[in-house]
Amino acid sequence: EVQVVESGGGLAQPGRSLRLSCATSGFSFVDYAMNWVRQAPGKGLEWVGFIRSKAYTGTPEYAASVKGRFSISRDDSKSVAYLQINSLKIDDTAVYYCTRSGAGWDYMDVWGKGTTVTVSS
Amino acid sequence: DIQMTQSPSSLSASVGDRVTITCRASQGIRNDIVWFQQKPGKAPKRLIYDAFSLQSGVPSRFSGSGSGTEFTFTISSLQPEDFASYYCLQHNTQPWTFGQGTKVEIK
Repeated sequence: EVQVVESGGGLAQPGRSLRLSCATSGFSFVDYAMNWVRQAPGKGLEWVGFIRSKAYTGTPEYAASVKGRFSISRDDSKSVAYLQINSLKIDDTAVYYCTRSGAGWDYMDVWGKGTTVTVSS
Repeated sequence: DIQMTQSPSSLSASVGDRVTITCRASQGIRNDIVWFQQKPGKAPKRLIYDAFSLQSGVPSRFSGSGSGTEFTFTISSLQPEDFASYYCLQHNTQPWTFGQGTKVEIK
């Protein structure tokens, strides 16, 4: 079974850092780009960024709203993607989802349940 | 960035109604659009990819069409389990961008 499980969320103070993990199973992780999407309370979905598969350079891309503070990485040996959030802001409060993206039929077809990040002093 | 203008932002409809949601891209995105359904407290669920391809296991009352800058998502006969929010996403040009969402409510 193809699975994606996010973890690492919680309550954090403004200015601190947090690292979210996206553990995967049931598919060939090395062949997929991995995306992070967030949803603030009562708001719509926001694409945060992704990291390409190594076959396509393995480089990340970010939304302008998070560029410079967020960093996405991957460990293909563990089939895990990470989202490092630095200098946390109140506006980073959201549910963070992880989803894979392949070439077409498997583009963002599998999502985790999300992990909740709450930024508050 | 490519703006995805999704409309309407909300609608009220009855069971059996035909529902249409539109996403307009600020520039051409070929057919690189995905449609998602999201219910409260749940992760998004992909319904349509590549503008008109139906996700396996998704009922055929859901459909998508369009190319370039204008895209349509249709529910041919609304069912009770379809009351949810719907989002489009373009993945043609970085950064990927979502539409603002459409909340489908019971009339």
